[in-house]
Amino acid sequence: VQLVQSGTEVKKPGESLKISCQASGYKFSSYWIGWVRQMPGKGLEWMGIIYPGDFDTRYSPSFQGQVTISADTIISTAYLQWSSLKASDTAMYYCGRFKDGDYVIDYWGQGTLVTVSS
Amino acid sequence: DIQMTQSPSALSASVGDRVTITCRASQTIDIYLAWYLQKPGKAPKLLIYKASSLESGVPSRFSGSGSGTEFTLTISSLRPDDFATYYCQQYLSYPYTFGQGTKLEIK
Repeated sequence: VQLVQSGTEVKKPGESLKISCQASGYKFSSYWIGWVRQMPGKGLEWMGIIYPGDFDTRYSPSFQGQVTISADTIISTAYLQWSSLKASDTAMYYCGRFKDGDYVIDYWGQGTLVTVSS
Repeated sequence: DIQMTQSPSALSASVGDRVTITCRASQTIDIYLAWYLQKPGKAPKLLIYKASSLESGVPSRFSGSGSGTEFTLTISSLRPDDFATYYCQQYLSYPYTFGQGTKLEIK
């Protein structure tokens, strides 16, 4: 099992962004994927989760309406996107696969660092 | 949302020490509690799930206990590689929530 995330991004406020998480080594459509934010020097925050099998998507209240989570089962890739970035979106973003039968992440991506600065 | 509170927020200990970290939930979460370890610049790593089940490949010096609202992670004999930040996470109900973290430092 491997999750490979897209590379570091440096963007300006107001720009859009879509980062990716490509999965391999398992049946992508059969496991939930979660996205977690970690702001500089801070703890972990759940953003949302998606089940690629039926695209059931749930957002944490703090992130509802702020980001969009999606998946492409053809290329086994999950996405996290913003339509208009803010400086406060500067953070490391991790994707992870949920363990079979438990809503915990047993395999993590390496993280994508997003910096938003004018 | 269910709030998770870890204590202490930071802890200094020596190699070979026995260490315990506590995680309290704002409401009962049965045994739906996980523990992760995170080293600087790295993704978290799952240690314990369902409060006391050891993830495959995790050393047996790590153990978890508890149910309801109070949980503990114990490291029986600290190794140099264990100095990191530890997070608990509840997954009884969405949104799943993490504790604020406990930074374990070398004394």
